[in-house]
Amino acid sequence: QVQLQESGPGLVKPSQTLSLTCTVSGGSISSGSYYWSWIRQPAGKGLEWIGRIYTSGSTNYNPSLKSRVTISVDTSKNQFSLKLSSVTAADTAVYYCARGPMTTAFFDYWGQGTLVTVSS
Amino acid sequence: QSALTQEASVSGTVGQKVTLSCTGNSNNIGSYAVGWYQQISHGAPKTVMFGNSLPSGIPDRFSGSKSGTTASLTISGLQPEDEADYYCSTWDYSLSAYVFGTGTKVTVL
Repeated sequence: QVQLQESGPGLVKPSQTLSLTCTVSGGSISSGSYYWSWIRQPAGKGLEWIGRIYTSGSTNYNPSLKSRVTISVDTSKNQFSLKLSSVTAADTAVYYCARGPMTTAFFDYWGQGTLVTVSS
Repeated sequence: QSALTQEASVSGTVGQKVTLSCTGNSNNIGSYAVGWYQQISHGAPKTVMFGNSLPSGIPDRFSGSKSGTTASLTISGLQPEDEADYYCSTWDYSLSAYVFGTGTKVTVL
């Protein structure tokens, strides 16, 4: 069974860069059959897709966040990562990583999520 | 601003059939299958349907369908454990991005 686990600082200061890592177990991130995404959810609000990466390094980002987002992959560690720059309080949210099969438009496995608070 | 529109809330009694809808446009639902995600008490989302296929372990009282630019998730025989928030999602080729619905809160009376 594939499992995804987010990790990273739970508190980030305004204007700094938020950095999170998703570790994949139970399957290889290099299998080539999946996209790997980041999704977030502010408290009391809905889900927002941030971006995705393929093992080749090819990426797609949410147009509303594109200027501040970088997603990368480390196949040797079976991990992919998120960097979100110039954060504000509006970036406070639970951040999820998720897997999506290629040629489809959905996510089949999700991480448990990690809360990131932006505050001084 | 969500690209997909869902009812804010739906309720039903145990055993009742309820249907949730997800409305988009030709750039998203009209072109791709839709995924449905269950979120219980603000926990991690869980995939309960993709297109009209059930993931392993999801009870067959859940079913999915689509007509034009509207997708639906039906729960036939509502159970107390189905009380949750449900989100739809798919790819939008004009945005080159995944889009989510506004979410529906299902309450079991």
